[in-house]
Amino acid sequence: NAGVTQTPKFQVLKTGQSMTLQCAQDMNHNSMYWYRQDPGMGLRLIYYSASEGTTDKGEVPNGYNVSRLNKREFSLRLESAAPSQTSVYFCASSASDRAGNTIYFGEGSWLTVV
Amino acid sequence: GENVEQHPSTLSVQEGDSAVIKCTYSDSASNYFPWYKQELGKRPQLIIDIRSNVGEKKDQRIAVTLNKTAKHFSLHITETQPEDSAVYFCAASKGATNAGKSTFGDGTTLTVKP
Repeated sequence: NAGVTQTPKFQVLKTGQSMTLQCAQDMNHNSMYWYRQDPGMGLRLIYYSASEGTTDKGEVPNGYNVSRLNKREFSLRLESAAPSQTSVYFCASSASDRAGNTIYFGEGSWLTVV
Repeated sequence: GENVEQHPSTLSVQEGDSAVIKCTYSDSASNYFPWYKQELGKRPQLIIDIRSNVGEKKDQRIAVTLNKTAKHFSLHITETQPEDSAVYFCAASKGATNAGKSTFGDGTTLTVKP
């Protein structure tokens, strides 16, 4: 099992450009999440998907959109990147049921907006 | 919403000493408290968690204590080793199945000096 894989690992964008971060999990988990992590801060939830076909806003959703393409894949899109979106982005998944609550994170995507 | 404060922001100990990291939370409805370890440039990983129906939980050299009345919980690492050096995050959520929607503390950078 690869667990949670996300791409790209590193990306530099110009202000106003768009991009999509891809995430896939092979653990048959119901729930998937996107977080951002800024220096000296903890993880902040951007969007989550409790199950295939549903998405909900987290703490910091402005400037982002998501798509839960199927049970495996959950993508994060920046429509018009801003320097304030420079951050490390983590995708994660969990069973979120009696089978387990552990959050499994991807390796992270380092995004710089110039 | 929930607010989680974590102290200290940095902690340096000698190998073999104990380390204690403390967190407070604001929402009395929170009842699941995980701790994550994040090594430099790596993904966060769950190391221990506690539910509000217990006051203490141990796993080898690490333990977590919870005081529901005071709304604070702590991570204790005994006999620290250089490989314990990392950033540690506490988190709080309403129920273990909502762990993905946790509010995170800002992290504690632990350095264990050989």
